[in-house]
Amino acid sequence: GQQLNQSPQSMFIQEGEDVSMNCTSSSIFNTWLWYKQDPGEGPVLLIALYKAGELTSNGRLTAQFGITRKDSFLNISASIPSDVGIYFCAGSYSGGGADGLTFGKGTHLIIQP
Amino acid sequence: DAGVIQSPRHEVTEMGQEVTLRCKPISGHNSLFWYRQTMMRGLELLIYFNNNVPIDDSGMPEDRFSAKMPNASFSTLKIQPSEPRDSAVYFCASSLLLGEQYFGPGTRLTVT
Repeated sequence: GQQLNQSPQSMFIQEGEDVSMNCTSSSIFNTWLWYKQDPGEGPVLLIALYKAGELTSNGRLTAQFGITRKDSFLNISASIPSDVGIYFCAGSYSGGGADGLTFGKGTHLIIQP
Repeated sequence: DAGVIQSPRHEVTEMGQEVTLRCKPISGHNSLFWYRQTMMRGLELLIYFNNNVPIDDSGMPEDRFSAKMPNASFSTLKIQPSEPRDSAVYFCASSLLLGEQYFGPGTRLTVT
């Protein structure tokens, strides 16, 4: 099946630093979503992107839907301890996730105080 | 508002036993999805329903897996017979048609 390449696999950063992670695909998606998962919990939706080129912010988080529709990135500014977790990108072929999502393997974010 | 509800949160069973996982989607949502998460394969879609009708079950690994959605507020994922390689965290998610998916807390299944 379709695979999303998410990088980096893990990040070790200092509190206060900015974070950047991205996802690429070999085929086009019509919706990109970013989720965060804490241990023992389900993924929590952070940002949803529906249009190529779209740039969307949610507090300190900013995500973009690549122009080619084959990639997306997520930035976190001024990281804080509660940002620790696993971040997943996900793509949908439908306009909005009416079909199942294809997930990346995740980026483990670890913040050193 | 209540989110997606899954039960049980943890299930330990012996190989060969039948396992039933349950999901209550967010009220008003009309799409429901079952995913499986493992270290090796990450998050994978198993099956999804729109308006209680199964749309795509191509992700269901084997005939041992079956899913039903008898009404808009309840779905089950059944494994019969279970095998150790079925050990994983199983997530249910729901959405409005053409809307973002919201995940439940998951069921951690261990098959010994």
